[in-house]
Amino acid sequence: NAGVTQTPKFRVLKTGQSMTLLCAQDMNHEYMYWYRQDPGMGLRLIHYSVGEGTTAKGEVPDGYNVSRLKKQNFLLGLESAAPSQTSVYFCASSGAYEQYFGPGTRLTVT
Amino acid sequence: TQLLEQSPQFLSIQEGENLTVYCNSSSVFSSLQWYRQEPGEGPVLLVTVVTGGEVKKLKRLTFQFGDARKDSSLHITAAQPGDTGLYLCAGDSNDYKLSFGAGTTVTVRA
Repeated sequence: NAGVTQTPKFRVLKTGQSMTLLCAQDMNHEYMYWYRQDPGMGLRLIHYSVGEGTTAKGEVPDGYNVSRLKKQNFLLGLESAAPSQTSVYFCASSGAYEQYFGPGTRLTVT
Repeated sequence: TQLLEQSPQFLSIQEGENLTVYCNSSSVFSSLQWYRQEPGEGPVLLVTVVTGGEVKKLKRLTFQFGDARKDSSLHITAAQPGDTGLYLCAGDSNDYKLSFGAGTTVTVRA
């Protein structure tokens, strides 16, 4: 079992460029989440999904879009990257209470 | 504004000493979770506490959930360098989501 995997691990973007972060889980979990982690601010929820084909906004959704076309995958898109989106992004999945996290993607926007 | 306030933000102690990390909120949670995160990795669940007043022990770690289910503490006895990491508390409000505190960075010096 790979658990939760994220690609890529690192990425540098220029302001205005777009990209998609990929998250995959092999635990057959219904719930999936995208967080960003910034120094001193803990984990902030961007978007989440309670099942295939569903998505919902979290605490900081502006500038991001998501899709959950397959149960095992949750994609996070940045349409026009801004320096404020420089952060470490974590994907997580959950079957009940516990959330399982991926290793993170470190994104720098210059 | 963080829903969950963690204190202290940083803690540096000598191997063998004890430490306590606090997690406080004005909100009631159905359960509260503690995660530990090491550099370059995603958070990993340590424990879930569900009942007000509950105390759980994991070897040298003791977790307590407040009677009113609004606060929690993590106590480590005889800390070791392997306990070094970022400790995060997270509250479950029964809405598929977790609210995370900003975290406490613990450094245990050999």
